[in-house]
Amino acid sequence: KAGVTQTPRYLIKTRGQQVTLSCSPISGHRSVSWYQQTPGQGLQFLFEYFSETQRNKGNFPGRFSGRQFSNSRSEMNVSTLELGDSALYLCASSLDPGAGTEAFFGQGTRLTVV
Amino acid sequence: AQRVTQPEKLLSVFKGAPVELKCNYSYSGSPELFWYVQYSRQRLQLLLRHISRESIKGFTADLNKGETSFHLKKPFAQEEDSAMYYCALSGQGAQKLVFGQGTRLTINP
Repeated sequence: KAGVTQTPRYLIKTRGQQVTLSCSPISGHRSVSWYQQTPGQGLQFLFEYFSETQRNKGNFPGRFSGRQFSNSRSEMNVSTLELGDSALYLCASSLDPGAGTEAFFGQGTRLTVV
Repeated sequence: AQRVTQPEKLLSVFKGAPVELKCNYSYSGSPELFWYVQYSRQRLQLLLRHISRESIKGFTADLNKGETSFHLKKPFAQEEDSAMYYCALSGQGAQKLVFGQGTRLTINP
């Protein structure tokens, strides 16, 4: 079956702009999580969605937001981009939201803010 | 506070030698512990989790609650084990994963 798909794979944006990233989970998976990966901070949790509801949110400013649709697809939005937002953004899906459940990761979206 | 510490950023061993990747965690409760691996040009994937108590690709990891550790071990390293390894935890019934900084393992021929 198809894996987690993230689009686009690469993005270049200017400071102050906003960006929307998309994630299509594995068919049947209803839990979607987002992570930011940078060389300095490593992998950091952004948010977790299950059945269109945000269940957890990481320690990121309000400029970072997300949502999940009824088909479990998810989007994350970053407004007023800053240079420090340059990162690889990873999406992961899982069958259910319980701890201990395997998370399947996408290839990521590489965002560069100039 | 939830925290995962992987003290070694880089680890290099020879093929056939034993390998141990260290992971220590801080969590007030009973976390679920995982090892994720990222091979070159591949996506991050689960290697093993402590609740399964299984050996994957010859790797094992034992949860030591007294020492709050979840070290990854393999008795005989192979060149295809070269990859980035991340220790992670989740808890409180949530999918949220807290990752360590990762250890880049290189197996020399």
